[in-house]
Amino acid sequence: EAQVTQNPRYLITVTGKKLTVTCSQNMNHEYMSWYRQDPGLGLRQIYYSMNVEVTDKGDVPEGYKVSRKEKRNFPLILESPSPNQTSLYFCASSSRGRLGDIQYFGAGTRLSVL
Amino acid sequence: GQNIDQPTEMTATEGAIVQINCTYQTSGFNGLFWYQQHAGEAPTFLSYNVLDGLEEKGRFSSFLSRSKGYSYLLLKELQMKDSASYLCAVRDRNDYKLSFGAGTTVTVRA
Repeated sequence: EAQVTQNPRYLITVTGKKLTVTCSQNMNHEYMSWYRQDPGLGLRQIYYSMNVEVTDKGDVPEGYKVSRKEKRNFPLILESPSPNQTSLYFCASSSRGRLGDIQYFGAGTRLSVL
Repeated sequence: GQNIDQPTEMTATEGAIVQINCTYQTSGFNGLFWYQQHAGEAPTFLSYNVLDGLEEKGRFSSFLSRSKGYSYLLLKELQMKDSASYLCAVRDRNDYKLSFGAGTTVTVRA
């Protein structure tokens, strides 16, 4: 089954404790993105990757890091989480096609930073 | 960058029609998407417009006017399961950045 898998689905942590949210896709997609979703603000792009070893900042990259060492994986790293990073995070992947780049989303990771 | 506006909430009756408008201002346009998101779930793709006009897909249709920076999503024969948030998203010429509106929550009442 074609899917984007994020882990963990839920995470509660404390300020300053480094964490990684993993994202993996099995569709051989070139493009992967991370978004955060906050009430009233919609989805905002954090980072995106056009292919292996190619990453770029989205609209809200501060406090986050990413890496793309393999095509299928695109982990999101919070080196020193802060309470304002409490949010719902989505990973997405897409591939060029006739219908443009349709993004397929993972199920989401709900993060609380205390 | 993008500036995308859509209404916050809409309510309609089962079996009715609802039209969700989306206006955008962009430095470079390269396609508009509509996604559906049920509460607590991931967004799922509904439609894509890159040229002016109407795209029809069963009960859902999407319209685009590039000169006006305007799109709408039309939901016909509303069903209770259509209660969800509908997200308008615009891709810019960078081709990899997708900017989303805040979403329109549609509530379908019996």
